[in-house]
Amino acid sequence: EDQVTQSPEALRLQEGESSSLNCSYTVSGLRGLFWYRQDPGKGPEFLFTLYSAGEEKEKERLKATLTKKESFLHITAPKPEDSATYLCAVVSGNTPLVFGKGTRLSVIA
Amino acid sequence: DAGVTQSPTHLIKTRGQQVTLRCSPKSGHDTVSWYQQALGQGPQFIFQYYEEEERQRGNFPDRFSGHQFPNYSSELNVNALLLGDSALYLCASSLVSGLDTQYFGPGTRLTVL
Repeated sequence: EDQVTQSPEALRLQEGESSSLNCSYTVSGLRGLFWYRQDPGKGPEFLFTLYSAGEEKEKERLKATLTKKESFLHITAPKPEDSATYLCAVVSGNTPLVFGKGTRLSVIA
Repeated sequence: DAGVTQSPTHLIKTRGQQVTLRCSPKSGHDTVSWYQQALGQGPQFIFQYYEEEERQRGNFPDRFSGHQFPNYSSELNVNALLLGDSALYLCASSLVSGLDTQYFGPGTRLTVL
């Protein structure tokens, strides 16, 4: 059974304090790993898709990387508007998206 | 370009009642997936519809059923509501390709009293 574990559960940063969120996965043949951002009470917003180990993608202050066992979401010089829950999900074989529980990020001005 | 839309936004029901939630996919998408998200948890897959048929189903009881219409819009029906069915119900649309990105709607918050 595919499993996704995200850490930490919650992270509190000062504005400008860079950090990384972790997503470790156990799947039988990863086909794709997805990062989403979710604001309270709203639907997840797509950020990145990564397909193979060594792949990296960037968007503004966010950079996602992928290894054979985990993915990192690096946040550089975060701002208060980056506060949200960040969700990681995987697809393997013909399975649907399997999500982790998310990391709740708070950025304090 | 309209994104995924869902209705209603909020819904309050009592135990034993039935509920229908609706979803219109993003323009150009033909596949609709439904997820249940409990507070503090990641979304859990309920089922996926393509060409008006259920393609895949997660670990949810038969009380959860769905439908897809010829215009690709979809409904999620839940019968005999339980308190534990209270959650945010999310609809996501994509192209039929298994690796295609799923785009989510804003969700319907269902409260069962």
